Amino acid sequence: DTAVSQTPKYLVTQMGNDKSIKCEQNLGHDTMYWYKQDSKKFLKIMFSYNNKELIINETVPNRFSPKSPDKAHLNLHINSLELGDSAVYFCASSRREGGYTFGSGTRLTVV
Amino acid sequence: DQQVKQNSPSLSVQEGRISILNCDYTNSMFDYFLWYKKYPAEGPTFLISISSIKDKNEDGRFTVFLNKSAKHLSLHIVPSQPGDSAVYFCAASESGSARQLTFGSGTQLTVLP
Repeated sequence: DTAVSQTPKYLVTQMGNDKSIKCEQNLGHDTMYWYKQDSKKFLKIMFSYNNKELIINETVPNRFSPKSPDKAHLNLHINSLELGDSAVYFCASSRREGGYTFGSGTRLTVV
Repeated sequence: DQQVKQNSPSLSVQEGRISILNCDYTNSMFDYFLWYKKYPAEGPTFLISISSIKDKNEDGRFTVFLNKSAKHLSLHIVPSQPGDSAVYFCAASESGSARQLTFGSGTQLTVLP
């Protein structure tokens, strides 16, 4: 059983399109995150949700909108995709400090 | 502004020898530090952590050392094994930060057989 699963694993799309990445965790964690790994390989936090409530929203274009229908799911919707959005996006969850479990990542390529 | 820095993008070590991966940080509010390991096409997996009240934490072949005055931590792997070949990320957080982790850029470790 996959603890944190995100789909799709690969996503190739044209500029201007709207796309979503889904994330689900079956660990019973109360906090979920989206991280972006950029071209320099840094993992940077984008959003954090605790029990469906947004608690971290870093400086991310408002084209990116997280949605948490319940505490086991945190989806990422991106409007009007741009070339610079190409990156690997990781979903993660935690129950306590340090107990992060990451998904396997979604490689987004905008052409 | 990179608050967590891993200045060596890559490291090669012979099997059986010690691997030492280094990490520096600038934010004096960080009080919890972690190392993650990442294989290609997989997400990072938690390896070992250390609280700022300690200067050493050991788990099997893995030991993390923390030097608060120098704002430096290191991960020692001994003996190194080919299966340890991966990218290692250093991460840090501060109390009350809603568990937000700040990551370094990673070091690619290659253990040569």
